[in-house]
Order: sequence, then structure tokens, then C-alpha cells
Amino acid sequence: QQQVKQSPQSLIVQKGGIPIINCAYENTAFDYFPWYQQFPGKGPALLIAIRPDVSEKKEGRFTISFNKSAKQFSLHIMDSQPGDSATYFCAASMGTPLVFGKGTRLSVIA
Amino acid sequence: DSGVTQTPKHLITATGQRVTLRCSPRSGDLSVYWYQQSLDQGLQFLIQYYNGEERAKGNILERFSAQQFPDLHSELNLSSLELGDSALYFCASSPTGNTDTQYFGPGTRLTVL
Repeated sequence: QQQVKQSPQSLIVQKGGIPIINCAYENTAFDYFPWYQQFPGKGPALLIAIRPDVSEKKEGRFTISFNKSAKQFSLHIMDSQPGDSATYFCAASMGTPLVFGKGTRLSVIA
Repeated sequence: DSGVTQTPKHLITATGQRVTLRCSPRSGDLSVYWYQQSLDQGLQFLIQYYNGEERAKGNILERFSAQQFPDLHSELNLSSLELGDSALYFCASSPTGNTDTQYFGPGTRLTVL
């Protein structure tokens, strides 16, 4: 019930492509769904977050799509760049603490 | 830079030893969280302190303990270390006890030989 399942484990896309990372959860009490970006040797950094009262949120090239009935949410990166190469984690929370997915290693090749 | 600082950056020690990891939260943040990151388990929540008091507990082993001091910095103590404790340990902070937005530090890489 506390798990967040993330897929795929790794993803390789061409520059300009739109990588999509998916997460699924079971606990319907979760009410906050952030995405974190982590570069090698660094701590995770908050990228974008959504609450269940909206189905989509955009910040720059990053978009979260949220499907409450399916208990799924996804991250889309528009016009991906080599600098977006990092590990992405989805997470879910009902206040605190955050429950993280296992991460997706994204490589954007020029 | 998140504003959260962690020391040391790297730590190498032997099995059976005890180490202390230190975290200073962002200025004004009252909550500190500790996470363990390993290759096979991802990011696992260990424990949260809010204004000096334990607020939430996750998958923290009995060999591990933490505290938050009056100046709000926190320490994570790991004792009787085992090879499997080798991991990255992250501290995060947030403004209140119920804030979802957490800001992570750069981590401490612990290697147990």
C-alpha cells in the first residue's frame, strides 16, 4: 500500500525527444506527488509537483500528467537536452514522509 | 545549491565501528529528514525530526539513531556497522513538520570495509 512503482528503470532518447516516465501508487490517501531530479554525486532536487485536484501541471519543459482513477502519474520532458541526463524519482506523500519510486536513469544523446 | 549542508562528504570505516553524520538544514527550516540511498533499494526514509522532537520513523535499524539539537542541526549515528550499511545517506529539510517540499543536501557516502 505504501509502494510507488516507477518505470522504466532506464531510458535513452535522442535530443529533442520526449521521454515519459511513469509511476503508479496504491494508497488513495496520497495527496502530493513530486518528481525529483538527481545528478551523479548530488542530492535529489525537486523538479515539479502536483496534487490530485488537477490532471496536468507544466513548468517549463516539464509536465506532470495525473490520472486519479488509474492511480498513475507521469513525467514528460519536452524537447529533451543532453543536460537533462539524470536519474528521476517520483514520490508520493500524505503529509510526510515521502515514499519514493526506485528511479529512472535517463540518457539524452545528441 | 539547496542550502542544506552535510558533513563529511565521504566516510570509509570498518565493520563493527560507529560513525556520526551531520546535517545543517536550510535557514529557517524546522524539520530534518534522513534517507538512505542504495542501488537496490532506492531512497528509503529513515527518520524525521521537527523542532527537536522525533516526528516520524521509517525503516531505521535499531543500530541507527538520530537527534536534532537546539540549533536545529541533526546528527545520524550508525553503530555496529555492517557491509550492507554502505550507502549514500541524505539529509533533507523543510520549513514545517507537515510540509511536503523537502530540500536535499549533497549526501554522505559511507563505505564499510
